[in-house]
This record gives sequence, C-alpha cells and structure tokens, in this order.
Amino acid sequence: EIVLTQSPATLSLSPGDSATLSCWASQSVGSSVAWYQQKPGRAPRLLIYDASNRATGIPGRFSGSGSGTDFTLTISSLEPEDFAVYYCQQRNSWPPRITFGQGTRLEIK
Amino acid sequence: QVQLVQSGAEVKKPGASVKVACKTSGYTFSKYGINWVRQAPGQGLEWMGWISTYKGETSYAQNLQGRVTMTTDTSTTTAYMELRSLRSDDTALYYCVRDRCSGDCSSGFDPWGQGTLVTVSS
Repeated sequence: EIVLTQSPATLSLSPGDSATLSCWASQSVGSSVAWYQQKPGRAPRLLIYDASNRATGIPGRFSGSGSGTDFTLTISSLEPEDFAVYYCQQRNSWPPRITFGQGTRLEIK
Repeated sequence: QVQLVQSGAEVKKPGASVKVACKTSGYTFSKYGINWVRQAPGQGLEWMGWISTYKGETSYAQNLQGRVTMTTDTSTTTAYMELRSLRSDDTALYYCVRDRCSGDCSSGFDPWGQGTLVTVSS
C-alpha cells in the first residue's frame, strides 16, 4: 500500500500570508494526486487533480505542483475561508488502490 | 446538476451489518465509478473501495477485504455499501463519492454525498 505523509500536521498563519503544504508518497505515483479541503461538518471539496489542475470553481490562489513522490499545495494570500483541513490523495494502478494523507490543519494565527 | 444523496443515519450493535445507499442523479450512471470513504469522529479520511458502475468490478481496501461489499443497481442509479461484522471502531461518517472523470480516471473525487453516520454501540 502506498503511504502518503503530509507535513506539517498543523500550520498557523494569518490572512494574507502564503501557505505551503507538502505531501510525500512512499513510492512514485506519477501525477495521480488530488488535494481536498474540508471544513467542520462538511464533506471534502476537490481543489486540485492530477497534481496541478484546479477543479471547477476553485480560485486561482490555489495551486498544486509535483510529480513522482513529492507534491505541494500552495495557497497564496490566504482568505479567512481558507482555514480548514487539507488532504492529499493518490490513485494508483488498476483497479484503483487509493490512499489519503493524514491531513494538514491550517489554522488562524 | 450532479447529485449523490445518501440514506439516513444508522445505529447498529456490534456484530451486525449495515447497508448504506447512495442515490445518484444528473449524469449517466454507468460512465463513472463510485467510491466509498469513511471518517471516524475527529479523524482523517479513509478510502474503503471503488466499484465500476459499468461492469460491477470492485477494488477494496486491504483492511476491509472480506467484510465489505459494494454493489450497484443501474435501474435506480443507486450504489450500495454493505459492511458486516461491525465493531465499535467502524463508527464513522460514510461518504459515497463519484470519480471525477469517466473510464480509468487518473485522480480526484467529485462530487461527494452528504454522508451517512453509522454508530456501532451495544
């Protein structure tokens, strides 16, 4: 099973700051990585797919990068509504075997 | 619009089984796979498995093999997830979620159902 490790576990920043969230895979997953945002009491929301493509309706301040084993989600100029938990996810092989990272909590400093 | 609407909350005793329904609408059901993801209270997301709505092929998480079965009913465009031999640590919010794209989709789940709370307690 491919393990995804997210860092840091918690990130404390202020509105207007830039956030960098990392996700490492235990083996190469190509570009088959997605990122999700989850707010309390809500289902996760897809932000990024295929490592760097923004999902429909996602603001341009969200960007993803990486391939192989190292991936990054960057949020430029944080808005108050961006403070949430973020998960990375990989999809590998056929039929699909999927795992999530443990999450990064982005909190207001 | 694309919608996934799940069945209501369940309370089960240890050892029992639960079957959660996910009614879909707004798209061609047989073109997109369906995944099930669960989230224990205060914890992260755990992928449980995937089912092809076209062929019925499944892929389950290793730790749930033998206890979980995913099925679909194309006549009602509904997906089902059954979990057997329930334990207290199966208490969680269970989500159904569609593959972002059809066929061999590279990554991404969208949209998500609203979640079904399953509580396992004696």
